[in-house]
Amino acid sequence: GAVVSQHPSWVICKSGTSVKIECRSLDFQATTMFWYRQFPKQSLMLMATSNEGSKATYEQGVEKDKFLINHASLTLSTLTVTSAHPEDSSFYICSVPNDLSSYNEQFFGPGTRLTVL
Amino acid sequence: GENVEQHPSTLSVQEGDSAVIKCTYSDSASNYFPWYKQELGKRPQLIIDIRSNVGEKKDQRIAVTLNKTAKHFSLHITETQPEDSAVYFCAAGDYKLSFGAGTTVTVRA
Repeated sequence: GAVVSQHPSWVICKSGTSVKIECRSLDFQATTMFWYRQFPKQSLMLMATSNEGSKATYEQGVEKDKFLINHASLTLSTLTVTSAHPEDSSFYICSVPNDLSSYNEQFFGPGTRLTVL
Repeated sequence: GENVEQHPSTLSVQEGDSAVIKCTYSDSASNYFPWYKQELGKRPQLIIDIRSNVGEKKDQRIAVTLNKTAKHFSLHITETQPEDSAVYFCAAGDYKLSFGAGTTVTVRA
């Protein structure tokens, strides 16, 4: 399967600042990437679908102006949490779908732990 | 959109016994049903998946069954071991996935 990395693995920031999280597909060209958020002891919730060369598609209830997504190449998508607040503290995980088959399998990154003070 | 319900939320089993987790889904268009194991602070790890044209799939101690008519699918783990202790998530969808709430499995030695 595809190898997906995320950077940073964890980040602590002050309230009101912006944080950028990178998701890289190391060996697989990804026209699409998914961004999930997982609060402690909860499930993964899809935030948005990142599309290479076009605008991201956001799930209902996710503020597109707060969570900026840029998918400028086939190997990199970035999620920027703007004006972060303590309630944005969460585990952010990206995934790359297997577009080469009909199996729909997703390859997950290792996640980024965001703590907003 | 798709709505996935998962039960139970916690499951404690004696080592060597079987564990069963059940999920239901709402969207009849869903055709992909993966199961993930997640350890604390780590990424979800795919343990088994099933497509809508298959009713059952087995991989060593793990099996999944799918009933498309009833819109439910189940994970079966036999001969449980302490290293099976983790949080398990079911998911359903097509290109996008919706996840169940998770089941915390504890295997008692």
